[in-house]
Amino acid sequence: SYVLTQPPSVSVAPGKTATIMCGGDKIGGKSVQWYQQKPGQAPVMVIHYDRDRPSGIPERFSGSNSGNTATLTISRVEAGDEADYYCHVWDNDSDHGVFGAGTKVTVL
Amino acid sequence: QVRLVQSGAEVKEPGASVRLSCKTYGYTFSHYAVTWVRQAPGQGLEWTGWNSALRGTTEYAQKVQGRVTMTTDTSTNTAYMELRGLRSDDTAVYYCAKGDSRNGMDVWGQGTTVTVSS
Repeated sequence: SYVLTQPPSVSVAPGKTATIMCGGDKIGGKSVQWYQQKPGQAPVMVIHYDRDRPSGIPERFSGSNSGNTATLTISRVEAGDEADYYCHVWDNDSDHGVFGAGTKVTVL
Repeated sequence: QVRLVQSGAEVKEPGASVRLSCKTYGYTFSHYAVTWVRQAPGQGLEWTGWNSALRGTTEYAQKVQGRVTMTTDTSTNTAYMELRGLRSDDTAVYYCAKGDSRNGMDVWGQGTTVTVSS
């Protein structure tokens, strides 16, 4: 089955840039979404179609996808960005959705 | 306003069945898939399956295949997930979401906690 690999944690100072990677075999050929989940809350989609932001998501959130790595970048990090972030794709081979294990972003 | 409102918490014994509901508001229900995602305590998100009334398509994760049925009722704009033969590792918060894994899940329900315990 298809596997997405994320770092368990990323720490970043306020105002700096957080970069979260999501590795998968030829993930550049898939459409990637990123979901933000704060404690006790339902997930929120922050990126779809690799790089598009849904309405209401700040421009500070951006995405890219190429080769074997998709990336979520959070610019000018704020305390409110502290959350778990999950990448997600559809695997055509298994006809299943796949989530990465999640990355906990801590704002120092 | 697009909303998904899920049914209340459930406590079940091992081997029992549970039926969760997800009532939707504010969009054309039949035009979008409903995806179910679960999250065990302290764990990450797990794709559980999806149902597309428009395409007549249903897919389930291997962990629940054979025990789960996902359906939609277009007369009430409600999606359902029934899980049978409950096990302790089915204990989780279950979310429904509008959309699918290709295009994204843009609105989520508040989640339903299912606890399986004797």
